[in-house]
Amino acid sequence: EDQVTQSPEALRLQEGESSSLNCSYTVSGLRGLFWYRQDPGKGPEFLFTLYSAGEEKEKERLKATLTKKESFLHITAPKPEDSATYLCAVPVSGGYNKLIFGAGTRLAVHP
Amino acid sequence: EAQVTQNPRYLITVTGKKLTVTCSQNMNHEYMSWYRQDPGLGLRQIYYSMNVEVTDKGDVPEGYKVSRKEKRNFPLILESPSPNQTSLYFCASSLFAGGSNQPQHFGDGTRLSIL
Repeated sequence: EDQVTQSPEALRLQEGESSSLNCSYTVSGLRGLFWYRQDPGKGPEFLFTLYSAGEEKEKERLKATLTKKESFLHITAPKPEDSATYLCAVPVSGGYNKLIFGAGTRLAVHP
Repeated sequence: EAQVTQNPRYLITVTGKKLTVTCSQNMNHEYMSWYRQDPGLGLRQIYYSMNVEVTDKGDVPEGYKVSRKEKRNFPLILESPSPNQTSLYFCASSLFAGGSNQPQHFGDGTRLSIL
């Protein structure tokens, strides 16, 4: 069964304290993995797509990496404005753009 | 500005009173989808549409209807809402159906409360 699991469920960081979020997936024939950011009261905002193991993408303080079983979202020297829920999603096996989402990691960055 | 627009943003209504949540995108996207988001359960797909007049069930379609008469619009219809449909709803779109690596763009959500 296709599954996406994110950990930790919640993470509290001090400003400047780097950390990583994890997204583990089980799906036959990965056809991409998406990371989204969701702010309270808003829809998910697309961040990255990763297509194959070993690939990395960066945007400001965020860097996403992909292995054959999981993806990491590394946050370097975070700021309070990085506080949000981070979601990952993968296309289901054989699905036409049908995504399965993880439950998300709620990140809080304190000054 | 490229966007997915949902209306209303908030709605409180009563059991059994038919309602429609509208969704419109201005990006000429082929694919559109509806999700509901519940605490601890994440985003779950309700229905999706690969193009005009082509719709299919997602993971939790019971109690919902959709239609896709025009490319830009994809309304979600609750014929007889019940309290278990109280949730946060999102509409999303992406450029192509069948393109597994197409990111989906989301609206800002509709918070629905059924009393």
